[in-house]
Amino acid sequence: AQTVTQSQPEMSVQEAETVTLSCTYDTSESNYYLFWYKQPPSRQMILVIRQEAYKQQNATENRFSVNFQKAAKSFSLKISDSQLGDTAMYFCAFIDNYGQNFVFGPGTRLSVLP
Amino acid sequence: EAQVTQNPRYLITVTGKKLTVTCSQNMNHEYMSWYRQDPGLGLRQIYYSMNVEVTDKGDVPEGYKVSRKEKRNFPLILESPSPNQTSLYFCASSFVGRDTQYFGPGTRLTVL
Repeated sequence: AQTVTQSQPEMSVQEAETVTLSCTYDTSESNYYLFWYKQPPSRQMILVIRQEAYKQQNATENRFSVNFQKAAKSFSLKISDSQLGDTAMYFCAFIDNYGQNFVFGPGTRLSVLP
Repeated sequence: EAQVTQNPRYLITVTGKKLTVTCSQNMNHEYMSWYRQDPGLGLRQIYYSMNVEVTDKGDVPEGYKVSRKEKRNFPLILESPSPNQTSLYFCASSFVGRDTQYFGPGTRLTVL
């Protein structure tokens, strides 16, 4: 069974600084999909970024980018120019190529400090 | 507006009293899924459905039932709720499983 690990339960960063959230996963599959979701205090789950494992290029979305290391099974999220609105829980997630069982990590609570 | 709706948003009930949490999406998505969120555990998948009349167990299906009679609806049924099912529940949908999932607003369930 696939597992997703986020080793940093909590992190903080100063406004305008850069922070990296780590995620590792375990799978025997060769093709799969990885996601980062954000959950602000409103509890709404919001997609931050999606990565297809067969694509070597790291996905980016504005201030958010990933460092995808397939051999190391690592999928870290970098947030540049952190803003107060980035304060949230961040979840790393995995789904296999068959698109069936979705697995989330335990989350990292990020606080952006003024 | 494209959305996933869940009802009720908040529910307090007692042990053993059957309840249903509804989930509906208006995006013609084939894949729908239920999750529970507990502190320190992230979201765990309860059941998922890849299409009408097709449902499969996720990681924590015990004590739950689902049905998918129509494409847009995917209700979660607790036949005999117990206190360990107190949690925050999310419904989600996507065109297929590996696409971006759109989440409902969540249902906070308390079982006394």
